[in-house]
Amino acid sequence: AQKVTQAQTEISVVEKEDVTLDCVYETRDTTYYLFWYKQPPSGELVFLIRRNSFDEQNEISGRYSWNFQKSTSSFNFTITASQVVDSAVYFCALSEARRGADGLTFGKGTHLIIQP
Amino acid sequence: SQTIHQWPATLVQPVGSPLSLECTVEGTSNPNLYWYRQAAGRGLQLLFYSVGIGQISSEVPQNLSASRPQDRQFILSSKKLLLSDSGFYLCAWSVRVRDEQYFGPGTRLTVT
Repeated sequence: AQKVTQAQTEISVVEKEDVTLDCVYETRDTTYYLFWYKQPPSGELVFLIRRNSFDEQNEISGRYSWNFQKSTSSFNFTITASQVVDSAVYFCALSEARRGADGLTFGKGTHLIIQP
Repeated sequence: SQTIHQWPATLVQPVGSPLSLECTVEGTSNPNLYWYRQAAGRGLQLLFYSVGIGQISSEVPQNLSASRPQDRQFILSSKKLLLSDSGFYLCAWSVRVRDEQYFGPGTRLTVT
């Protein structure tokens, strides 16, 4: 079975603060893939990042950074110097390699509110 | 560039009525296609996926069905809607298995 847990239902911070969104996953596979998506109020999911289980190198993209730690089964997402436009629901997702062409298993999402 | 379309954007249907939601992808060939539902509580649930024309796999037993009559067209249907079918339906595509998926704008369905 696979499972993705985003324990933070909602986070509210003031603009320019840094914020970290937590993601913990469960899988028995040695090969798997992790994703983060952003869902703004419009509803469309926007792809942010994909990582495979063999690449634990942290990644930075502008104000966004991701910390992948297999030892704790976590794939956390940090936004530095947050902006109001970052307000959205953020989803972490998991895909296992050994199954067929199935879809992603999503966490329940974290609603991020950036206050001006 | 690739684009994905869904229609209608919103839909209000009475219980027991039929349903047809359409999804089309442009700018790519032989994509993997997916239908997800997002109910209250924000979680996304995979409903169906397809790796090719006429090939449909179902993840969750329900009164919904899916079809892929053309390479880049994916249709979600129901013969009789239930109240529990209300939700936000999202179509997605990917190039290969395990690749990132790209989502359409979604259809918000309310069953009354």
